[in-house]
Amino acid sequence: AQKITQTQPGMFVQEKEAVTLDCTYDTSDQSYGLFWYKQPSSGEMIFLIYQGSYDEQNATEGRYSLNFQKARKSANLVISASQLGDSAMYFCAMREVNAGGTSYGKLTFGQGTILTVHP
Amino acid sequence: EAQVTQNPRYLITVTGKKLTVTCSQNMNHEYMSWYRQDPGLGLRQIYYSMNVEVTDKGDVPEGYKVSRKEKRNFPLILESPSPNQTSLYFCASSLTGGVSYEQYFGPGTRLTVT
Repeated sequence: AQKITQTQPGMFVQEKEAVTLDCTYDTSDQSYGLFWYKQPSSGEMIFLIYQGSYDEQNATEGRYSLNFQKARKSANLVISASQLGDSAMYFCAMREVNAGGTSYGKLTFGQGTILTVHP
Repeated sequence: EAQVTQNPRYLITVTGKKLTVTCSQNMNHEYMSWYRQDPGLGLRQIYYSMNVEVTDKGDVPEGYKVSRKEKRNFPLILESPSPNQTSLYFCASSLTGGVSYEQYFGPGTRLTVT
């Protein structure tokens, strides 16, 4: 069974500095997708970044990058130049693949990390 | 605008009173899913649907029902709500067939059962 672990319940960072949010996963699938979502205090789920298991390059989206280490089964999110608006809950998630190699669509989520950005 | 809508956004109810949370998407997605979010547990899948009339249990289906009579709608039904179903509920949709397809989430429904 798939499992996602986020070991940092809370993280603090100074504005304008970079921060890394940890995510490790466990799966026996060869093909999988890793996602990061942001949940601000208003509650909505905002998609940030995606990394495919076969992607050789680390994904980047603006100030977000994903440090993907396949052998270690880790997919850490790096936020550069933190802003006050980055204060939120962050979830790492993995997408399941069925026996036929296509995706059911289910996302398995980690417990989340609350990021607080200090001015 | 591509979106997933949920109603109601907030609901306080009493134990045993049947309720339905509606979910609708306008992106013609085959896949739809319900999750619940509880502190320290992340989001857990309740039920999902691969297409019209095709539904299946997720990780925490007890106490819930769903139906998929139309592609765009995927209501969540609590026949006899109990206090342990107090939670934040999300509906989500996506295309199927590949792991890269992003899931689009609704705004969430905060349910309190007293």
